[in-house]
Amino acid sequence: GENVEQHPSTLSVQEGDSAVIKCTYSDSASNYFPWYKQELGKRPQLIIDIRSNVGEKKDQRIAVTLNKTAKHFSLHITETQPEDSAVYFCAASRKGASKIIFGSGTRLSIRP
Amino acid sequence: DAGITQSPRHKVTETGTPVTLRCHQTENHRYMYWYRQDPGHGLRLIHYSYGVKDTDKGEVSDGYSVSRSKTEDFLLTLESATSSQTSVYFCAIGTDSNQPQHFGDGTRLSIL
Repeated sequence: GENVEQHPSTLSVQEGDSAVIKCTYSDSASNYFPWYKQELGKRPQLIIDIRSNVGEKKDQRIAVTLNKTAKHFSLHITETQPEDSAVYFCAASRKGASKIIFGSGTRLSIRP
Repeated sequence: DAGITQSPRHKVTETGTPVTLRCHQTENHRYMYWYRQDPGHGLRLIHYSYGVKDTDKGEVSDGYSVSRSKTEDFLLTLESATSSQTSVYFCAIGTDSNQPQHFGDGTRLSIL
C-alpha cells in the first residue's frame, strides 16, 4: 500500500535559523500534499498544502516544495521562532482515494 | 475552525469495559476518520466513513468498531477495552481526500 516516509524524526535549530523537513511518497498517483502542525497537547492543524500541478508554494515564513519525479516534498521554515516548536506531519493522497497517508512526524525544537 | 466536537475529552476506565467515543460535526462533510496517537507512532488510522452507514477499516482496526447512522455523528467503540488501547484519539473530517482534513480536539483515554 501507499507509504509516506518523513525525516528527520527530531530536529533542533537555533532561533532565527531555517528548518527543513523532508518526506517521500510511494504512490506516483499522489497529487495532494498537506502539512500539519501539532503543538503540545493540541490537535493537528493544517499549515500549508500543495498540489501536484505546482512545484512550490509559500506562505510568509513557510514554504513547501514538490519534486514529482523523485516523489518527495519538503517543508521549509525560515527565521524560526519559539512558537514554531511543535510536531510536524506531512501527508499524501491521490484523487479518488478515501484517506490521506500521514508521515510519522518530526518534532521540531527551537533553541533560544 | 471547523465545527468538530469530540466527547468525552478525557476518560479513565478499567480493562474489559466497553467504551464509546463520539465525534460530532456541523460541517456536513462526507468523510469522517478516527485516529489514535501514541508516542513514537504518529497518527494511525483506525476506521473511517465515507457516508452514512459506509465505513471501512484503517491500519489499526482490531479491537475497534464504528458506526455512522447520521452524517454528523461518527462513533468509535471499544467492545472490551485493553490497556494497549490507552491513547489519544482524534476524529477528523473532510470533504474528500484531496482536501484538508480538520481535526477535533482529541479524547485522552486511559485504560487501567
